[in-house]
Amino acid sequence: QVQLVQSGAEVKKPGASVKVSCKASGYTFSSYYMHWVRQAPGQGLEWMGIINPSGSFTNYAQKFQGRVSMTRDTSTNTIYMELSSLRFEDTAMYYCASADTVMASFDYWGQGTLVAVST
Amino acid sequence: DIQMTQSPSSLSASVGDRITITCRASQGITNYLAWFQQKPGKAPKSLIYGASRLQSGVPSKFSGSGSGTDFTLTISSLQPEDFGTYYCQQYNTYPFTFGPGTKVDI
Repeated sequence: QVQLVQSGAEVKKPGASVKVSCKASGYTFSSYYMHWVRQAPGQGLEWMGIINPSGSFTNYAQKFQGRVSMTRDTSTNTIYMELSSLRFEDTAMYYCASADTVMASFDYWGQGTLVAVST
Repeated sequence: DIQMTQSPSSLSASVGDRITITCRASQGITNYLAWFQQKPGKAPKSLIYGASRLQSGVPSKFSGSGSGTDFTLTISSLQPEDFGTYYCQQYNTYPFTFGPGTKVDI
């Protein structure tokens, strides 16, 4: 059974960084492209970026350029999303999702990680 | 960026009803269109990709159609478990973009 299990909720102060993990099991994780999507409270879905199967290529939404970094550890089937210089408006649920090619929609989603930015 | 719009923004329907949600892209995306269902407090669930292809395990009461800029999601015989918010997404061009969602109340 395919599962994407994300790390637990985080509370951060403005200006800090957060690193969220997403661990895959039940399928050939090393073949999949992985995306990050976020959802602010009561709002819609926002695509943040993608990382390729080997971790050698990333493509980030312009809005997050310079603040986001996506990495992957193929030995542990885990991907990471680090967001720096956090602002109050970064408070959101962050989801990982998998896709089988670079131009494919998402098939599996993680359960989400709440990141709250607060003083 | 490609802008996605959806209509209606919300709808109320009865059990057994057939409902249709419309999604429009600001430019042609051929059939690179997906639909997701999200229930409160839960992660989105993938329903349809390629405008009309059901993800594995998705019941056939869900169907999608369209190409180019105009797309529809239809749910035949609505059931209580179908409540939630439905999002369309284009994956023709990066950045991938989502519609604002359609909230379905039963």
